[in-house]
Amino acid sequence: DGGITQSPKYLFRKEGQNVTLSCEQNLNHDAMYWYRQDPGQGLRLIYYSQIVNDFQKGDIAEGYSVSREKKESFPLTVTSAQKNPTAFYLCASNRGDRGTNQPQHFGDGTRLSIL
Amino acid sequence: KNQVEQSPQSLIILEGKNCTLQCNYTVSPFSNLRWYKQDTGRGPVSLTIMTFSENTKSNGRYTATLDADTKQSSLHITASQLSDSASYICVVLEYGNKLVFGAGTILRVKS
Repeated sequence: DGGITQSPKYLFRKEGQNVTLSCEQNLNHDAMYWYRQDPGQGLRLIYYSQIVNDFQKGDIAEGYSVSREKKESFPLTVTSAQKNPTAFYLCASNRGDRGTNQPQHFGDGTRLSIL
Repeated sequence: KNQVEQSPQSLIILEGKNCTLQCNYTVSPFSNLRWYKQDTGRGPVSLTIMTFSENTKSNGRYTATLDADTKQSSLHITASQLSDSASYICVVLEYGNKLVFGAGTILRVKS
């Protein structure tokens, strides 16, 4: 079955450490997205990519970095510059650009906490 | 500022009962409105997508309505089941490709 796989399910970060969250999709989607979800708030866009080797900042990109070397993969690195990284991180994908009527398909998320 | 407000924040109902969740938005210009269901610890799953010209759309026991004039949408759940317990998220696509997410309504169905 096609879908989006995020790993790990749970991740702990030590102070000053960079951590990388994995996102892989086998839906043959061109566009991929990273969101952050905090309690009581709507999802906020961190980064998105519409094509391989290209990506754009979302609303809250500071302290995060991404790469898109393969169509199937869009890893997110939470750097030590992100002072409040504790959150639920969701990866999503869809066909075409963000303006289509196609729904975004989401992975099951990674919960990141600070040690 | 473009916003999506959902009410109530949380809701508890008995199994078998109906319920209606509300979504008001100020997003303009508007392209489409989506409802997602998110189980605890999982990613959101799409229920419906409606453009401004659609007034209602159903997906099984879920029926979404849209009034683009008043900028209101509702999600009606019929004959609720325990598996309906989840967070329901309203999302509006602003013309120009920006998604604006509501904070969600947490629904708990009790037996």
